[in-house]
Amino acid sequence: ETGVTQTPRHLVMGMTNKKSLKCEQHLGHNAMYWYKQSAKKPLELMFVYNFKEQTENNSVPSRFSPECPNSSHLFLHLHTLQPEDSALYLCASSQDVTRGSDTQYFGPGTRLTVL
Amino acid sequence: QKEVEQNSGPLSVPEGAIASLNCTYSDRGSQSFFWYRQYSGKSPELIMFIYSNGDKEDGRFTAQLNKASQYVSLLIRDSQPSDSATYLCAVGGNKLVFGAGTILRVKS
Repeated sequence: ETGVTQTPRHLVMGMTNKKSLKCEQHLGHNAMYWYKQSAKKPLELMFVYNFKEQTENNSVPSRFSPECPNSSHLFLHLHTLQPEDSALYLCASSQDVTRGSDTQYFGPGTRLTVL
Repeated sequence: QKEVEQNSGPLSVPEGAIASLNCTYSDRGSQSFFWYRQYSGKSPELIMFIYSNGDKEDGRFTAQLNKASQYVSLLIRDSQPSDSATYLCAVGGNKLVFGAGTILRVKS
């Protein structure tokens, strides 16, 4: 595997379900990001991790819970979601978040549908 | 004022023409500038980055940066229908900020 991978690629869940999204980067980067992209809306930054430490939480509801066990893996745990949470969830990585000029590389995304 | 502004489009150009995509930014301390292409339902992919004033060319793509005017553009020469996508401008300073994107349609 190369680059940034995400699983699952598609997820349908009910509002009472609990599920997790997984992201893995094979680029040797130290920073990882979660973005949300709703239909016809710009990218919304959700969380940022640098060297496994959370450095940014962009006022995300607590029903989204991130986890970063190491610099290569990032999870987004989902519970009691709402239909408006349906979106494309993108993971990205970069060398180091303190270097804001670093290029971010995106995974293929998880298309989430909440019924 | 939005930090990174792009015309949402759609910008329609005929096949073979030059497509010009523009982006303005508010932070004068910005150091790095990126263009991403995003096909419908797919993730953004990096096309080019530019750090210095002037032009940077890569194949059919040219990025232009004018820091004094806080303006960055992307020119696509010999546009092809496969170039039809949303183009995202991203500006980096102490963090990377994305614009909302411009939809480009290349008509054959």
